Amino acid sequence: EAGVAQSPRYKIIEKRQSVAFWCNPISGHATLYWYQQILGQGPKLLIQFQNNGVVDDSQLPKDRFSAERLKGVDSTLKIQPAKLEDSAVYLCASSLGLLRGPGNTIYFGEGSWLTVV
Amino acid sequence: AQTVTQSQPEMSVQEAETVTLSCTYDTSENNYYLFWYKQPPSRQMILVIRQEAYKQQNATENRFSVNFQKAAKSFSLKISDSQLGDTAMYFCAFMNVQGAQKLVFGQGTRLTINP
Repeated sequence: EAGVAQSPRYKIIEKRQSVAFWCNPISGHATLYWYQQILGQGPKLLIQFQNNGVVDDSQLPKDRFSAERLKGVDSTLKIQPAKLEDSAVYLCASSLGLLRGPGNTIYFGEGSWLTVV
Repeated sequence: AQTVTQSQPEMSVQEAETVTLSCTYDTSENNYYLFWYKQPPSRQMILVIRQEAYKQQNATENRFSVNFQKAAKSFSLKISDSQLGDTAMYFCAFMNVQGAQKLVFGQGTRLTINP
């Protein structure tokens, strides 16, 4: 079974530029998450989708971050304009979803490493 | 809001020894899930073990076991017969049963297994 796919794996941009990350969840997984992991910290949830609807985006900096999950499958996370403090690993994850009962295992991709200089 | 605390930033043991990683959490919920994830340098989070709060029996997965103390809100991970491949960051995480099922992570413990 294919895992969660993310691209690009690595990206270096200058501050005030824009960047987009792509995620393809495990087939059949209804719930998709984007986490931000700053070096030395645990991952922090940015946004959670159930199919193509947003469940939680309370910690997404909406003035510069946006995310979409068109058709309820793939997702894109965009940052514009980037700041130095956005340097982090952006982890995409997926699970079967809320309707399949609680405690579903959440599977993670390998992450997209962003460096803002 | 739930919080998860890992008080040991780094730990180091010799190969084949047993090591215990600590985790405490804060919640007003009665039913929830707890997880330990391993994160090697590749940064992919790998599920190690999970515990359902309504189950009193501690979860075990081969060399990995937990000590779940619900009243104390404590959830430690014990790794027996540690191996070089166990070297990684370990994160404790909490998930509510009600509402959005999202993981809330601790700060992590960097574990090094020495040959």
